[in-house]
Amino acid sequence: DTAVSQTPKYLVTQMGNDKSIKCEQNLGHDTMYWYKQDSKKFLKIMFSYNNKELIINETVPNRFSPKSPDKAHLNLHINSLELGDSAVYFCASSREGYEQYFGPGTRLTVT
Amino acid sequence: AQKITQTQPGMFVQEKEAVTLDCTYDTSDQSYGLFWYKQPSSGEMIFLIYQGSYDEQNATEGRYSLNFQKARKSANLVISASQLGDSAMYFCAMREGPVQGAQKLVFGQGTRLTINP
Repeated sequence: DTAVSQTPKYLVTQMGNDKSIKCEQNLGHDTMYWYKQDSKKFLKIMFSYNNKELIINETVPNRFSPKSPDKAHLNLHINSLELGDSAVYFCASSREGYEQYFGPGTRLTVT
Repeated sequence: AQKITQTQPGMFVQEKEAVTLDCTYDTSDQSYGLFWYKQPSSGEMIFLIYQGSYDEQNATEGRYSLNFQKARKSANLVISASQLGDSAMYFCAMREGPVQGAQKLVFGQGTRLTINP
């Protein structure tokens, strides 16, 4: 059973388009996260939701909008995609105070 | 200032040898947590081991152990009896502050470990 799943795994799109990445966890965790990994492998947190409430919102362009319909899902919508948005986006989840479990990642390529 | 520093961009080790991956951190919090993750070439992030700042004993998980030296602010990962499958990127990460609510993890730059047969 997949613990944290993301769709799609690969996403290739043109500049200016709007796209969404979906994330689901079946671990019963209260907290979910979005991270961005750039081409140099550097990982940085973008957002975190705890019980559907936005808890962490790092300095991310407002073209990025997370949405959590319930505790098990956290989606990421990106408007007006730019070349610099090309990266691997990871969803993660955790119980309060414990390690984070990551999804397989979504490789976004903006052309 | 960087909160997590991994000074070894790459390491090459012979199979079956032990390997130590360095990690130093910077925080003024008394309560924090340190994590190690493995990222193989397939791309997924795999949790390996956790050390809390108040834990008196070094964490161990199978072949992984964490050499936690609080005064030096270091949390090195030790892999014993390395295997070819250990070849991957390894990331050290820190959670600052208490454990309640969402944990913001700050990651280091990573170390690419290659195990030679």
